[in-house]
Amino acid sequence: DTGVSQDPRHKITKRGQNVTFRCDPISEHNRLYWYRQTLGQGPEFLTYFQNEAQLEKSRLLSDRFSAERPKGSFSTLEIQRTEQGDSAMYLCATKGGEETEAFFGQGTRLTVV
Amino acid sequence: DQQVKQNSPSLSVQEGRISILNCDYTNSMFDYFLWYKKYPAEGPTFLISISSIKDKNEDGRFTVFLNKSAKHLSLHIVPSQPGDSAVYFCAASAGSSGNTPLVFGKGTRLSVIA
Repeated sequence: DTGVSQDPRHKITKRGQNVTFRCDPISEHNRLYWYRQTLGQGPEFLTYFQNEAQLEKSRLLSDRFSAERPKGSFSTLEIQRTEQGDSAMYLCATKGGEETEAFFGQGTRLTVV
Repeated sequence: DQQVKQNSPSLSVQEGRISILNCDYTNSMFDYFLWYKKYPAEGPTFLISISSIKDKNEDGRFTVFLNKSAKHLSLHIVPSQPGDSAVYFCAASAGSSGNTPLVFGKGTRLSVIA
């Protein structure tokens, strides 16, 4: 499968625990975006990378959130000290230089209990 | 303040008829617009896009119209099929070729009734 891959698909965690999600982009896609989607809303931008450089972070990305893309390929999104309000679908999208659209992964659904 | 608005949360259409989904935006800097389709428990799937230098783009059963002066775009699906039932998101980007992060509307749930 050459699409965007996200792992895990589902994660249930207790409040206060740390969680980490992974996104593997389409090969050679140099731009990688993280979005969050809650019920009844569209995806909301969190952060994005061009290669390994993190170019922009949204105000939604509190200091409990950190994202990395160490070698310009896969990316991780970590949430520390999770809160119930962090429960959402976390979506990764990637984009190549020539394509005009971003391709999304299937998302990681996080439930904080 | 929502920069991309989809004011109809839901729409029901008979199979074979036209579905028209609407989207309004407020940011004049947006110059690239996309429509995504989303099934439950899946990520959004790209449908069609349009650059601000055009007013229409067509791909098979899907056509997107852009009215820059009204800051309005619409997605037409003709003929509608039951498999089109999904949530449709309008998204906009302010930057060349949609590289800057997308701003999404809240989505419209389309139900195509056989």
